Amino acid sequence: AQTVTQSQPEMSVQEAETVTLSCTYDTSESDYYLFWYKQPPSRQMILVIRQEAYKQQNATENRFSVNFQKAAKSFSLKISDSQLGDAAMYFCAYGGATNKLIFGTGTLLAVQP
Amino acid sequence: KAGVTQTPRYLIKTRGQQVTLSCSPISGHRSVSWYQQTPGQGLQFLFEYFSETQRNKGNFPGRFSGRQFSNSRSEMNVSTLELGDSALYLCASKPGLVNSADTQYFGPGTRLTVL
Repeated sequence: AQTVTQSQPEMSVQEAETVTLSCTYDTSESDYYLFWYKQPPSRQMILVIRQEAYKQQNATENRFSVNFQKAAKSFSLKISDSQLGDAAMYFCAYGGATNKLIFGTGTLLAVQP
Repeated sequence: KAGVTQTPRYLIKTRGQQVTLSCSPISGHRSVSWYQQTPGQGLQFLFEYFSETQRNKGNFPGRFSGRQFSNSRSEMNVSTLELGDSALYLCASKPGLVNSADTQYFGPGTRLTVL
């Protein structure tokens, strides 16, 4: 069975600084997708970024980028130029052949002004 | 396009009652999945529907059921509510065929409280 692990329950970053959230996963599948979702206090789950496992190039979305290390089964999220609005719970998620998303336990990110 | 909508947003029930939650996917999306979010268990997959058929089911008791209509709207039902069913229930939709890993787009959730 696939698993997703987020080892940082909480992180803090100063406004305008860079922060990296960690995620590791375990799978025997060769074709899968990885996602980072953001859940602000409103509880709406918002897609931040997505990575296809077959792509070697790391995905980027404006200030958000990932470091995808397939062999190490690692998928970290880097947030550059952090803003107050980035404060939220961040979930790493795995999507594979079963079509369901498997989520990590989340990292609560605080942004200090 | 309008996003995924869920009704009601908040619900309070008592133990033993049943509840029905509704989800309207993004227009054109045919796959709808349901997830339960609790502080203790995190986010857990309940089931997925595609073309009115349940395609996948998570590890939940039979008290949890769902269905999908021809317009892709979905409902989930929980019978004989227990205190532990208190949770945020999230619905997600995606356009693609079953077994494709299209991005799932989430609704705002229904907060169920069981007293």
